[in-house]
Amino acid sequence: GAVVSQHPSRVICKSGTSVKIECRSLDFQATTMFWYRQFPKQSLMLMATSNEGSKATYEQGVEKDKFLINHASLTLSTLTVTSAHPEDSSFYICSAPRQTKGTQYFGPGTRLLVL
Amino acid sequence: GNSVTQMEGPVTLSEEAFLTINCTYTATGYPSLFWYVQYPGEGLQLLLKATKADDKGSNKGFEATYRKETTSFHLEKGSVQVSDSAVYFCALTDISSGSARQLTFGSGTQLTVLP
Repeated sequence: GAVVSQHPSRVICKSGTSVKIECRSLDFQATTMFWYRQFPKQSLMLMATSNEGSKATYEQGVEKDKFLINHASLTLSTLTVTSAHPEDSSFYICSAPRQTKGTQYFGPGTRLLVL
Repeated sequence: GNSVTQMEGPVTLSEEAFLTINCTYTATGYPSLFWYVQYPGEGLQLLLKATKADDKGSNKGFEATYRKETTSFHLEKGSVQVSDSAVYFCALTDISSGSARQLTFGSGTQLTVLP
């Protein structure tokens, strides 16, 4: 079964609104989670590393004020796309490494469409 | 830095054909290597992995061998099925420090299997 969940799976919003995406590890604790963005027919691009109890680490070129990340607990990280615009439309995927298995587990993704 | 180079697609095969998707990598440390599969509309799922040289990962009839001498991790399957149609991503993570880090992905290879 799934070990990492994301909510919502799909969201459509108007330009200028903010959208929050949740990523949960279901049966293990994750002090670190990763957020990726995937454009159609392209690979995953790492956006940021979410750290429980400290600030997220953003990759070069990713606006931290645009993509707010909060790692609220050992099982939950949220990504908020603030003042969304059509160019923010994409597939957002989170992952969480399970230290005991040395493997990362991916959420099913959230498809965001900004009108 | 780390990088993954993957065979460009799309790849179209007939059912029961032999599949090879090439993947080579560059890494500064001691990477673990992965193949992930993404079915249409879904998130990534781990297909197989190998954590050290000469290891062979296998799952669902797919295999890949960690070749340090050629820095390769080619994915193979002897007889593909229509249900194998998906996008396949080669990836690596450097866990030499003992903790899982973010994955570096290849560009993905779209596989379509025709009946």
